[in-house]
Amino acid sequence: AQSVTQPDIHITVSEGASLELRCNYSYGATPYLFWYVQSPGQGLQLLLKYFSGDTLVQGIKGFEAEFKRSQSSFNLRKPSVHWSDAAEYFCAVAAYSGAGSYQLTFGKGTKLSVIP
Amino acid sequence: DAGVTQSPTHLIKTRGQQVTLRCSPKSGHDTVSWYQQALGQGPQFIFQYYEEEERQRGNFPDRFSGHQYPNYSSELNVNALLLGDSALYLCASSALRPDKETQYFGPGTRLLVL
Repeated sequence: AQSVTQPDIHITVSEGASLELRCNYSYGATPYLFWYVQSPGQGLQLLLKYFSGDTLVQGIKGFEAEFKRSQSSFNLRKPSVHWSDAAEYFCAVAAYSGAGSYQLTFGKGTKLSVIP
Repeated sequence: DAGVTQSPTHLIKTRGQQVTLRCSPKSGHDTVSWYQQALGQGPQFIFQYYEEEERQRGNFPDRFSGHQYPNYSSELNVNALLLGDSALYLCASSALRPDKETQYFGPGTRLLVL
């Protein structure tokens, strides 16, 4: 069965500092990987996704992520954090469940706090 | 272009009651998935509907059931509510072609069971 691990429950960074959120996955086939962001009391917004090809993917709001197959990782990065980036971030893997359908398995999330 | 919409936004029920949550998918999407997000946890897959049929199901009891209508909108029904059913319920939609792996989420329905 597939799984996603986000080792860091809570990270605090200063505004303007760089950010890296870690994600490790376990999946037997080629993974489809996603990062979502959730602001308090809100639904999930897609930041970026990896299906194949270039292992460095660009997303919205200045985020990028790098797929490393050898490390089973898909870490999210941003060179300079803004106060509005404070939110909870979820990494997910899409597992093929038959008949052309996919289901997402999420990590437990990393809460990001930003110090002004 | 309207995104995924869900109703109601908040709901309070008592143990043993039944609840129905509703979801309208993003325009052009034909597949609806439901997730339960308990406080402090990541979303967990409940089930997925396509062509008005339940295609896949996660590890949830039969108290959780659903329906999809010809216009692709969907309902999630939970019977005999337990305190542990209190959570944010998220609906996500996707299109079978071409980008079937990507799911777009609605704002969720927050259910409180007392």
